[in-house]
Amino acid sequence: DAGITQSPRHKVTETGTPVTLRCHQTENHRYMYWYRQDPGHGLRLIHYSYGVKDTDKGEVSDGYSVSRSKTEDFLLTLESATSSQTSVYFCAISEGAKTGQYFGPGTRLTVT
Amino acid sequence: AQSVTQPDIHITVSEGASLELRCNYSYGATPYLFWYVQSPGQGLQLLLKYFSGDTLVQGIKGFEAEFKRSQSSFNLRKPSVHWSDAAEYFCAVGVNYGGSQGNLIFGKGTKLSVKP
Repeated sequence: DAGITQSPRHKVTETGTPVTLRCHQTENHRYMYWYRQDPGHGLRLIHYSYGVKDTDKGEVSDGYSVSRSKTEDFLLTLESATSSQTSVYFCAISEGAKTGQYFGPGTRLTVT
Repeated sequence: AQSVTQPDIHITVSEGASLELRCNYSYGATPYLFWYVQSPGQGLQLLLKYFSGDTLVQGIKGFEAEFKRSQSSFNLRKPSVHWSDAAEYFCAVGVNYGGSQGNLIFGKGTKLSVKP
């Protein structure tokens, strides 16, 4: 399995608090992604990175920000969490279009 | 716009029976196509991929998929299903935009149940 870890694996937080999720890879892949998964919606792309300090928005980026200061780490921040951000968040890595993406184990976030 | 459709939300098959999961895509160029499997509480695992060449591709766990350009389809098949195949399956198409060459658009998934 690709070396991808996500932390924390589970988190419960209150509305209005900031939350940061971390994705760490040991594969030295160039591309990294954050998705959220919700019933009936499949996986939706939040943000992605195509290199250190190079990031861009995905389909559902409102309310989220990201940072990538090192190849191996990609952080997802919810500046002020809302109940609509209760979801399972997955990080993925890729070397390019032909290789596909490899997924981390996910973080279950509950915003109360 | 690019899209992926998995027409079946939930399929139940008997153990030992054959399986076919449908996937249709909309994409202007030659697509990169993928199938993923997700067991409950787990991340997604890549089953197989197609980007050129032979239209019948083999994957892990005995799965295969066939690319049919004329039908814009990439259906997943398995000759004999095992109880451990019960999971959710996602089809995805690779798209290039912005700075990334590896973005994926996913279908909403098909949940497979296996009867003993």
